[in-house]
Amino acid sequence: GQNIDQPTEMTATEGAIVQINCTYQTSGFNGLFWYQQHAGEAPTFLSYNVLDGLEEKGRFSSFLSRSKGYSYLLLKELQMKDSASYLCAVREGDYKLSFGAGTTVTVRA
Amino acid sequence: IAGITQAPTSQILAAGRRMTLRCTQDMRHNAMYWYRQDLGLGLRLIHYSNTAGTTGKGEVPDGYSVSRANTDDFPLTLASAVPSQTSVYFCASSRDTHNEQFFGPGTRLTVL
Repeated sequence: GQNIDQPTEMTATEGAIVQINCTYQTSGFNGLFWYQQHAGEAPTFLSYNVLDGLEEKGRFSSFLSRSKGYSYLLLKELQMKDSASYLCAVREGDYKLSFGAGTTVTVRA
Repeated sequence: IAGITQAPTSQILAAGRRMTLRCTQDMRHNAMYWYRQDLGLGLRLIHYSNTAGTTGKGEVPDGYSVSRANTDDFPLTLASAVPSQTSVYFCASSRDTHNEQFFGPGTRLTVL
């Protein structure tokens, strides 16, 4: 089974950096995804980690440590449009993707 | 059609009624999924399909059924709706089960 924990809410200032942590417990880890979801909209894919280390995509980076059951999503140079919910999702086995409850990030001017 | 679509956008339904939520993708993805999203609980998998002709149960399958007659369509049926099925339902697809999932716009369902 899955147990995925991430903070409920975070607030940051425009131009700043925010780090969203995700911890998980799983019996068959097979990759970790981060999705962004704006209010009232569908989730959209941000990043994927299956090996330990940092994956960088523009202003967004994602880190994974499989031994610690830990990942983080780093958002740099925050913009107002980054205000959204960020979902950590862990794949267990071949198909099952389990989502955390999401972290709502509010960017203030 | 571009991507993945769902219908209806929203629906209010009387308890006990039958309802089918439609999902269509034009990306020729093999895998498709149905999730429900409830406040504080995150997305939970209802049913999935690895390829046309096959389906499987997810985390919360009770009260729901699916079919996958072809690659593009993956309807979700509530045989007899109950108020606890009030939720936002998202359909998703991926090239196969190892790739990132693309989500439809969602259906907001209210069961009274």
